[in-house]
Amino acid sequence: EIVLTQSPGTLSLSPGERATLSCRASQSVTSSFLAWYQQKPGQAPRLLIYDASSRATGIPDRFSGSGSGTDFTLTISRLEPEDFAVYYCQQYGRSPRTFGQGTKVEIK
Amino acid sequence: EVQLVESGGGLVKPGGSLRLSCAASGFTFSSYSMNWVRQAPGKGLEWVSSISSSSIYIYYADSVKGRFTISRDNAKNSVYLQMNSLRADDTAVYYCATDSWSGFFFDFWGPGTLVTVSS
Repeated sequence: EIVLTQSPGTLSLSPGERATLSCRASQSVTSSFLAWYQQKPGQAPRLLIYDASSRATGIPDRFSGSGSGTDFTLTISRLEPEDFAVYYCQQYGRSPRTFGQGTKVEIK
Repeated sequence: EVQLVESGGGLVKPGGSLRLSCAASGFTFSSYSMNWVRQAPGKGLEWVSSISSSSIYIYYADSVKGRFTISRDNAKNSVYLQMNSLRADDTAVYYCATDSWSGFFFDFWGPGTLVTVSS
């Protein structure tokens, strides 16, 4: 199975700053079939990005995804207070679908 | 508005069984593949099982294969997860989630139901 490794484990930033989250795959992700999710405490995950760079419906344009092959990035251009959460990447190019372990974005 | 509501979670002893349900509304349920994804306390997300729109294709994670069974009833807009031979490491919040129309990522999620396996 494809193992996804997210870094850093925790990102401490202030509102207004730029956040860059990494997701590295143990093997190439077919056709950039990679998604990003946001999860806040006590809530279900929410889809942000799919196909590595396509924003889901209703997602603000401060969220962007990039990458291909084994290296993918989620960028939040200017952090808003509601963006402090845990972010997961997920690949769906090869069965079984797998998730990264998550990156927590916390207020500095 | 898409709504998914899970039910059936609770406390069960090791070796016991539990059946989870997910009631869907706000979309054409019979056209979409459905999934169960779980999250152990304080841990990350783990895909558990998927079922295609007409139940022809069914998949399981190795960790639950042979113990869990996914099914659906399109007339009732519901998907189920029968969990047998439960173990302590099955303790998690179980989420019901839709597949997207355009790929095998999870478009919409329910709020989840907690399953605790403990003696």
